[in-house]
Amino acid sequence: AQSVTQLGSHVSVSEGALVLLRCNYSSSVPPYLFWYVQYPNQGLQLLLKYTTGATLVKGINGFEAEFKKSETSFHLTKPSAHMSDAAEYFCAVSDTTGNQFYFGTGTSLTVIP
Amino acid sequence: KAGVTQTPRYLIKTRGQQVTLSCSPISGHRSVSWYQQTPGQGLQFLFEYFSETQRNKGNFPGRFSGRQFSNSRSEMNVSTLELGDSALYLCASSLLTGVLNTEAFFGQGTRLTVV
Repeated sequence: AQSVTQLGSHVSVSEGALVLLRCNYSSSVPPYLFWYVQYPNQGLQLLLKYTTGATLVKGINGFEAEFKKSETSFHLTKPSAHMSDAAEYFCAVSDTTGNQFYFGTGTSLTVIP
Repeated sequence: KAGVTQTPRYLIKTRGQQVTLSCSPISGHRSVSWYQQTPGQGLQFLFEYFSETQRNKGNFPGRFSGRQFSNSRSEMNVSTLELGDSALYLCASSLLTGVLNTEAFFGQGTRLTVV
């Protein structure tokens, strides 16, 4: 069965500092992995995804994530935080049939001026 | 290209009532999935429809049901509402289903409050 663990329900960084949001997954087969961002009272917006191929994935708004099979991790990073990055971030994995997404519990990112 | 449209955005219902939520997927997308988001449980999968057929179902009671029409629009119905059904209900639209499904686009959600 698939599951996702996001370490740290709240992360605070200073504006301009590195953003690192952690995600570990468990899956019986190579999964599809996703990061979504959610702003208040909004739906989820896809930041980036890993399906196959290059393990370093670049997404929108300067975010990137690296799939590390040996560590079962898919951590999200951004070199320099911006105030507009403050939001809730969700890591997700799709199941082997692709019909269902399993989400982590989310990490709330605060950016301090 | 229009995104996923969910209506209504906000809804207040009384315990014991029933409610119907609507989701219009992106044009050309045939898969619609529904999720419930609550502070305590996070995002939980309800069910997925593809070409008017329910493909997959999460672990929710039978009070939660859905359907999909020939134009891919989907509705979700909750009967005999309970206070615990208060949540943000999100709809996700995908072009494909199954192992080829590599991306889901989410609507803004319907905020249901049960009083």
